[in-house]
Formats: sequence, structure tokens, C-alpha cells
Amino acid sequence: DTGVSQDPRHKITKRGQNVTFRCDPISEHNRLYWYRQTLGQGPEFLTYFQNEAQLEKSRLLSDRFSAERPKGSFSTLEIQRTEQGDSAMYLCASSLTLTGGNTEAFFGQGTRLTVV
Amino acid sequence: KQEVTQIPAALSVPEGENLVLNCSFTDSAIYNLQWFRQDPGKGLTSLLLIQSSQREQTSGRLNASLDKSSGRSTLYIAASQPGDSATYLCAVSPVNYGQNFVFGPGTRLSVLP
Repeated sequence: DTGVSQDPRHKITKRGQNVTFRCDPISEHNRLYWYRQTLGQGPEFLTYFQNEAQLEKSRLLSDRFSAERPKGSFSTLEIQRTEQGDSAMYLCASSLTLTGGNTEAFFGQGTRLTVV
Repeated sequence: KQEVTQIPAALSVPEGENLVLNCSFTDSAIYNLQWFRQDPGKGLTSLLLIQSSQREQTSGRLNASLDKSSGRSTLYIAASQPGDSATYLCAVSPVNYGQNFVFGPGTRLSVLP
């Protein structure tokens, strides 16, 4: 197992275009998280899945954002009609949580989005 | 709302020094606290995880402590090396605010040779 994998690593897009990012979590991890990080700040929570169910979404996740995790495996994060304010690092993490609260989270290398 | 702060925001030390990074959180109801390292333009690497019932964890030159009642954690780095230069982030897993992790803004560490 090589850890959490994200693709692409970098994406430059024109304002108004749609973009989609992919995250492959660690095998058998049931929880998958998406975070956004801007320069000099800590990551901010966007959404998380428990298996294939999207259980929580941040108010940061506007209607232009949608995330899926079909069959509880990989996940995609789509941003429609991108804006310059969407420029950030998008981080994916996964964890194996069996009961109660969270266990150790493992992060991918992130996708750096630049909207021009 | 759970809030996490980290002090100092930046730190520069000569090689070989021992140093302490601080993390504070406002709500003591947490499942665990995790310390991460982030190199420029990269993702996060997990360093240490402390469960709410634990007081400290050690890994090599790193030692993290947790005082849940006072809402504080420290990351101690012994005999610092230039390769330790990175941003260090702490994150808590709150009991009352959803099943996600709340991050501090990080401490940017520079270890000078």
C-alpha cells in the first residue's frame, strides 16, 4: 500500500471552467476527507465520507462543489465554474475508524489548483 | 466552535537546539490530537497521534504531550537538524463538532546549519 494518492498534482484552469480531482485512499480505510488549504493557513474541512455515504459538508462547500465516493473506494471532487478564489491546495485524507471518534488520518500530496 | 491556535507562528533556531512548539484548543472534548509536518508545496505527513486518554507520545527525536483539561499540546524536537525545517501543524478531532479534524495555522520552523 503506497498511501493516499491524489491526481493530478497540479491543475491550471481558466476561470469558468470545470475541474475534477481524484483521491485514492489507503485500502480498507472507511473514512475519506477533503480539505482545502490556502497559503499560510491550516487546512480547512470541506466534506467527509464514511464508506460511500457523504456524512458532513462544510459551509465552505458551495453549490459549485460536489464530491462523490462511489462504492466507498476512490473519491472525486468537482468544482464547476471555477473562480479565482478557488485557487488553493486541495488535500485528501483517509482513516480507518471502527467505533466512536476519529483515528489517525493520512494525507495525500494534494492537488494544487490555480485559476487564471 | 472548536478553534486551534499555534505559537509561535515562525521560529528560527541554530542546528542542534532543542525546541518546543505549542498548540492550544478551545474545547477539551476531543477524541485525539495529531501533529503533522508539511514541506513547502507538499501534503501532510503524520508525526504523532495522541489519544485523549494519553499524556504523551514519542517517536525518535519527537515527543508530544497532551493536557486535555487545559486545552494544550506541545511538540518537543530534540537536537534539531536542518532537515527538520518545515511547517508543523496540529489538529484535533472534536467530539462535538462533527467527525472531522480542526487544524491550527501551523508553526514554520527553520533550522539553520
